[in-house]
Amino acid sequence: NAGVTQTPKFQVLKTGQSMTLQCAQDMNHEYMSWYRQDPGMGLRLIHYSVGAGITDQGEVPNGYNVSRSTTEDFPLRLLSAAPSQTSVYFCASSYGVGSTGNTIYFGEGSWLTVV
Amino acid sequence: GESVGLHLPTLSVQEGDNSIINCAYSNSASDYFIWYKQESGKGPQFIIDIRSNMDKRQGQRVTVLLNKTVKHLSLQIAATQPGDSAVYFCAENTGTASKLTFGTGTRLQVTL
Repeated sequence: NAGVTQTPKFQVLKTGQSMTLQCAQDMNHEYMSWYRQDPGMGLRLIHYSVGAGITDQGEVPNGYNVSRSTTEDFPLRLLSAAPSQTSVYFCASSYGVGSTGNTIYFGEGSWLTVV
Repeated sequence: GESVGLHLPTLSVQEGDNSIINCAYSNSASDYFIWYKQESGKGPQFIIDIRSNMDKRQGQRVTVLLNKTVKHLSLQIAATQPGDSAVYFCAENTGTASKLTFGTGTRLQVTL
């Protein structure tokens, strides 16, 4: 029972490089999202998806792209990495609209450092 | 959304005592609330949730109370154990799944 799987766990990028953070879930969840967490702060929503082929922006979308070609996968792309994108990134998924019983599950996180 | 700060408030509780962690939310349209526990180096772990049509919900050793009048949420942990030491976040949802607004977080330290 893998749940929400994120790769890589750790990554160091140079300013201007691009990369993709992978997220996969094996629970057949329709809803997936990406959050970033900066030191001593709560999580902030980057992008989310309510189903394959449908994505939308969250609170802090600038500098990131997403796509949802399958139900299982929701990759997050950094187009041109900047030091301000140094953060911990979390992917989350849930079966339906937030309500009791539709638990939102998080991955273990991807630690990204941009130098 | 809520403002966030650089310094987490800390609650120190003796093992065996009850813990109460509080959270103020800002959006009166939020209809679903969740408490998460986050241990160092790990992702948020679901603890308990509550819909806006409820005032109280109980789980195993945990109770969530919701006061919509003052937009306040609390998490009560009974008989706190060392394994409860973590950062606790409340989160609110306005109906779009996986679109959560997180609070600042509270660090719970359990002393022996």
